[in-house]
Amino acid sequence: EDKVVQSPLSLVVHEGDTVTLNCSYEVTNFRSLLWYKQEKKAPTFLFMLTSSGIEKKSGRLSSILDKKELFSILNITATQTGDSAVYLCAVNQAGTALIFGKGTTLSVSS
Amino acid sequence: SAVISQKPSRDICQRGTSLTIQCQVDSQVTMMFWYRQQPGQSLTLIATANQGSEATYESGFVIDKFPISRPNLTFSTLTVSNMSPEDSSIYLCSVGVKGGPEAFFGQGTRLTVV
Repeated sequence: EDKVVQSPLSLVVHEGDTVTLNCSYEVTNFRSLLWYKQEKKAPTFLFMLTSSGIEKKSGRLSSILDKKELFSILNITATQTGDSAVYLCAVNQAGTALIFGKGTTLSVSS
Repeated sequence: SAVISQKPSRDICQRGTSLTIQCQVDSQVTMMFWYRQQPGQSLTLIATANQGSEATYESGFVIDKFPISRPNLTFSTLTVSNMSPEDSSIYLCSVGVKGGPEAFFGQGTRLTVV
């Protein structure tokens, strides 16, 4: 059965800390892995990863994929209270909808 | 990218009634999907909305409970029928854009059934 597993499920940090969120997957016909940030209702797209070892960066956020070990990490440096959200990892298979993990709830305290 | 308009944004409904959620995209898209997110849970795919044919439902979801229409490549509706409190969730539509597998989401509909 295809699955996407995220860890930890929740995380509480102080402003300025660096966090690493994990996502492992077991799916057939893997095409890409995506990260989303969900603050209220609609997830907003962060990154799409298709190749191993190539880091994607956007400001304080970065992500990398390891297709051999079947996992990805999302790093957030110098966290701010505005980073508090649920971070979702999803895997795209050929011709189908996304398979989502349960998400990591990040709380950043000031 | 695609701009998706989903409505209503939220609703409170009586049990036994039905609610239809609309999803409008600003461009023609091949793939449209409907997801449910129950409180504290991740997104679960309900069905793929197919233009011109019946939707493809995932295990645990049936057409009688969640009828879906997709009359053209820019619009779809999801109806939650004969609602019970267990249907209280966020419902999201998403689209797959040609040339990019990333899915874009509508603003979501927060449904509360009382």
